[in-house]
Amino acid sequence: AQKVTQAQTEISVVEKEDVTLDCVYETRDTTYYLFWYKQPPSGELVFLIRRNSFDEQNEISGRYSWNFQKSTSSFNFTITASQVVDSAVYFCALDDTDKLIFGTGTRLQVFP
Amino acid sequence: SQTIHQWPATLVQPVGSPLSLECTVEGTSNPNLYWYRQAAGRGLQLLFYSVGIGQISSEVPQNLSASRPQDRQFILSSKKLLLSDSGFYLCAWSAPAQDPRTYEQYFGPGTRLTVT
Repeated sequence: AQKVTQAQTEISVVEKEDVTLDCVYETRDTTYYLFWYKQPPSGELVFLIRRNSFDEQNEISGRYSWNFQKSTSSFNFTITASQVVDSAVYFCALDDTDKLIFGTGTRLQVFP
Repeated sequence: SQTIHQWPATLVQPVGSPLSLECTVEGTSNPNLYWYRQAAGRGLQLLFYSVGIGQISSEVPQNLSASRPQDRQFILSSKKLLLSDSGFYLCAWSAPAQDPRTYEQYFGPGTRLTVT
């Protein structure tokens, strides 16, 4: 069955700390896509990244980086030098034909 | 560029009243459309999705229904609201099949519904 697990319900850090959000998935497909979304307090979900299952290169975008490991079925998200504006709920998701399967989200609080 | 609109932004309705939430997408044709609900402090629950006009797939049996009367319009309805229908309703779109961006979903600003 398609499933996404985000075991960390809430994480609190102090500004400038690095933080990693974990995502573990289960899929029956050999080719699939993984995603991260950010939901700030305003509520709208913001698309951050899509990763193909056949591309295991890690990706970096500014302070954000993603570590995709097929062997452990994980797609972890690291924020380097966190800032207060990073405070949000972060969702990991997996594609399932016409729809996405979302994890339950990790609430990140960054304190000044 | 594509934009997605939802209205109203907030809504307070009494139990037993009807509901109509609207979502429209601009700047794309034949998008896949989705309705999600997020209860307070909870994850996203997919309610309905549509790959074309008049084609609606329901994920969760409940007192809600969806319709797609036009290519870029998606409506969520209820004849009689329940207290448990309170939540944050998000509409999303994705590109149609054959488009490389077909897997990403882009979300609207959401409607916060409180049933009293």
